[in-house]
Amino acid sequence: GAVVSQHPSRVICKSGTSVKIECRSLDFQATTMFWYRQFPKQSLMLMATSNEGSKATYEQGVEKDKFLINHASLTLSTLTVTSAHPEDSSFYICSASSQGSNQPQHFGDGTRLSIL
Amino acid sequence: DQQVKQNSPSLSVQEGRISILNCDYTNSMFDYFLWYKKYPAEGPTFLISISSIKDKNEDGRFTVFLNKSAKHLSLHIVPSQPGDSAVYFCAASARIKGGGADGLTFGKGTHLIIQP
Repeated sequence: GAVVSQHPSRVICKSGTSVKIECRSLDFQATTMFWYRQFPKQSLMLMATSNEGSKATYEQGVEKDKFLINHASLTLSTLTVTSAHPEDSSFYICSASSQGSNQPQHFGDGTRLSIL
Repeated sequence: DQQVKQNSPSLSVQEGRISILNCDYTNSMFDYFLWYKKYPAEGPTFLISISSIKDKNEDGRFTVFLNKSAKHLSLHIVPSQPGDSAVYFCAASARIKGGGADGLTFGKGTHLIIQP
């Protein structure tokens, strides 16, 4: 099956630090990658959609300058949480989809971000 | 406002019996529905999907039923096995006509426990 690798799985850092999370599709070309966030006891919430080679589309309420997304190739997207603060502590998870609207999204294992 | 609702946080079923997981949605623009299975410390794994032009899709032990008039879908697992114990997420999207992938709207999940 399709494999999506996300790294790191867990990050603990000080307030004010910028954190980069990588998402790679290992065995298929991901024309579209998605970034989700999940707070405790809540559902996964879509943050942004990125298509290879173009700017990401952010959901309402998600600060694009806070959450920088780069999708430079068909196998790699990165999410950088800039100047992270304790309220940014959350579970971040990426997914990838190949060409076509009938293709399901395949998820990475997520990143647990804790800002002290 | 929760557009995808899974009203049962947990469900306990005896091994060999049928497991029925329910999901309701409110957005009439949703036309593609998916079920994901999630084990602890792993990302969601795609299980089965259904397009709004169908009312049933079957894959082995898994069948998804869609009732558009009621805005309701269900996942049937029969017979249930111990390895089916996991959290099941219902997700929906309003696909862009003509192709492309869309972000998913998730329910909060149902924890299925299969008892031996």
